Amino acid sequence: GAGVSQSPRYKVTKRGQDVALRCDPISGHVSLYWYRQALGQGPEFLTYFNYEAQQDKSGLPNDRFSAERPEGSISTLTIQRTEQRDSAMYRCASSPAGYTEAFFGQGTRLTVV
Amino acid sequence: DQQVKQNSPSLSVQEGRISILNCDYTNSMFDYFLWYKKYPAEGPTFLISISSIKDKNEDGRFTVFLNKSAKHLSLHIVPSQPGDSAVYFCAASWGSGNTPLVFGKGTRLSVIA
Repeated sequence: GAGVSQSPRYKVTKRGQDVALRCDPISGHVSLYWYRQALGQGPEFLTYFNYEAQQDKSGLPNDRFSAERPEGSISTLTIQRTEQRDSAMYRCASSPAGYTEAFFGQGTRLTVV
Repeated sequence: DQQVKQNSPSLSVQEGRISILNCDYTNSMFDYFLWYKKYPAEGPTFLISISSIKDKNEDGRFTVFLNKSAKHLSLHIVPSQPGDSAVYFCAASWGSGNTPLVFGKGTRLSVIA
């Protein structure tokens, strides 16, 4: 596709359920980043991949959060046993090799009720 | 603690005048700085960047200035247009590409016709 695609755009889930958020980066982009954005705040780093290798997961809040990018393209961010505090906009971005500038998708708005 | 700070949550400017958005950072390891623009219901869009080896970078109506000794950067928009009304995020990174970004909280710019 032309841009970074995230699905679903909106997700409402009950507390305690698992959710999987999907990111389809721009074709050929080496790096894929996951950020979380609360209202009135800037995006906050969660984790990122170069190709299929997870380079840094220091931003993941706790072990209920995990991410994978098994074939170096599409990535999934999984949140297990969701809690209300997990409610936020989850943003994915990608960048080509040698670039710091990242291109963002429209995000997935997660609401845990 | 916030490593990238945007201390003005909002700014209003008359159409045709200059808009100046400010950003401060604390981490001296940052060597690449970016500005992103965000419209409602969209993901952040890359606007302009500057490497720490420069003190100015210009792209059309947008100029970014970097003062490394003060750990301060600013984005100038001249002349400001109503379509520039958006939230602007300052971001910083380190390394030679493909590294995550650290964002400020954003400044909402309103350009009044």
